[in-house]
Amino acid sequence: DAGVTQSPTHLIKTRGQQVTLRCSPKSGHDTVSWYQQALGQGPQFIFQYYEEEERQRGNFPDRFSGHQFPNYSSELNVNALLLGDSALYLCASSSLGGSGGPGELFFGEGSRLTVL
Amino acid sequence: SQQGEEDPQALSIQEGENATMNCSYKTSINNLQWYRQNSGRGLVHLILIRSNEREKHSGRLRVTLDTSKKSSSLLITASRAADTASYFCATFHSGTYKYIFGTGTRLKVLA
Repeated sequence: DAGVTQSPTHLIKTRGQQVTLRCSPKSGHDTVSWYQQALGQGPQFIFQYYEEEERQRGNFPDRFSGHQFPNYSSELNVNALLLGDSALYLCASSSLGGSGGPGELFFGEGSRLTVL
Repeated sequence: SQQGEEDPQALSIQEGENATMNCSYKTSINNLQWYRQNSGRGLVHLILIRSNEREKHSGRLRVTLDTSKKSSSLLITASRAADTASYFCATFHSGTYKYIFGTGTRLKVLA
């Protein structure tokens, strides 16, 4: 049973370009969350997708957008890249839970984006 | 901004010693989890404790939760060099239905 897979693992872009990162959740999971982790910092919540809709969003500008497909996989798009967007982008999947929370998050290995 | 703040930011101990790291948060939560991250890799779930629980154990890990003080601690007993990693707490809020991660504790276990 494959866990969470992310692609690409590494990529280099220049300022102003656009990037698309992809995530396939763990089998049986229907919720995908995206996090940005700058070097030496904790993961910052970008947004969460469930049933192909953005369910929650963190404090990120509209340059950050996403999509979830019927097979629960997800994409993160970042437009007009800035130097400050350089980070490890992590995808986490989970099953939608009740008010107690979705339980454990399963993370992929991340996509390391460098913006020059 | 981060919800949780881990303390200390960095910790260096000898193999066999115990490691304790703390997490403080600001608003009420439904559950709190601890995750481990090896350098530049994905996070791995360690343990989850719900708001109505005070203590949980998993192998060499012991987690406590004090909701009155809005704090949690993670104890790793008999540490090993392989425990060297960054450790993060993550709090879940049913109102926002999202997990918020803290700033992390970087643990180094010396052989």
